[in-house]
Amino acid sequence: GAVVSQHPSRVICKSGTSVKIECRSLDFQATTMFWYRQFPKQSLMLMATSNEGSKATYEQGVEKDKFLINHASLTLSTLTVTSAHPEDSSFYICSAREGTARGYTFGSGTRLTVV
Amino acid sequence: AQSVTQLGSHVSVSEGALVLLRCNYSSSVPPYLFWYVQYPNQGLQLLLKYTSAATLVKGINDFEAEFKKSETSFHLTKPSAHMSDAAEYFCAVSVSGGTSYGKLTFGQGTILTVHP
Repeated sequence: GAVVSQHPSRVICKSGTSVKIECRSLDFQATTMFWYRQFPKQSLMLMATSNEGSKATYEQGVEKDKFLINHASLTLSTLTVTSAHPEDSSFYICSAREGTARGYTFGSGTRLTVV
Repeated sequence: AQSVTQLGSHVSVSEGALVLLRCNYSSSVPPYLFWYVQYPNQGLQLLLKYTSAATLVKGINDFEAEFKKSETSFHLTKPSAHMSDAAEYFCAVSVSGGTSYGKLTFGQGTILTVHP
């Protein structure tokens, strides 16, 4: 079946630094990638949607200059949290979709802790 | 815009008992509906999905859900709970058109506890 590999699974960084999270589709072409964040005991909130080769579309309230999304190829999308602060600590999950298919494959998530 | 409401943030059942997790949706266009399971510190695994074919959808691990348009519901059931079913379950909706095309909107999640 479709697999999305997400790395790193856990990362701890200092305030003010940047962190990059990668999601790779291993056996399909991810034309669309979705990035979510999940706070403890809460549901997934969509941050942005990106289509390969295009700029990401951010949800209301999500700072596009803070959460940089790159989807330069059909198998790789990255989320960079810039100038991270403790309030950015969260669980980040990517989800990939091939074409207009009704299947969404999720990565295993990244636990970001900013100290 | 679409939305999903999961009734009950926590459900507790005995091993071997029926599992029923409730989900109601709101959508102005025909929806696609999904149930996902999440284990701690992991991503989401698809249990089943409704995409306008049969209203009774069978998924993995004996889970199934029935789409009821009149009730705007998509409840998840399993005849006999296993200890390994203990996890958090999310209902989600996406739509086929409009500005929200392709986006998944999740419910608040239901934590299922299975006790011996």
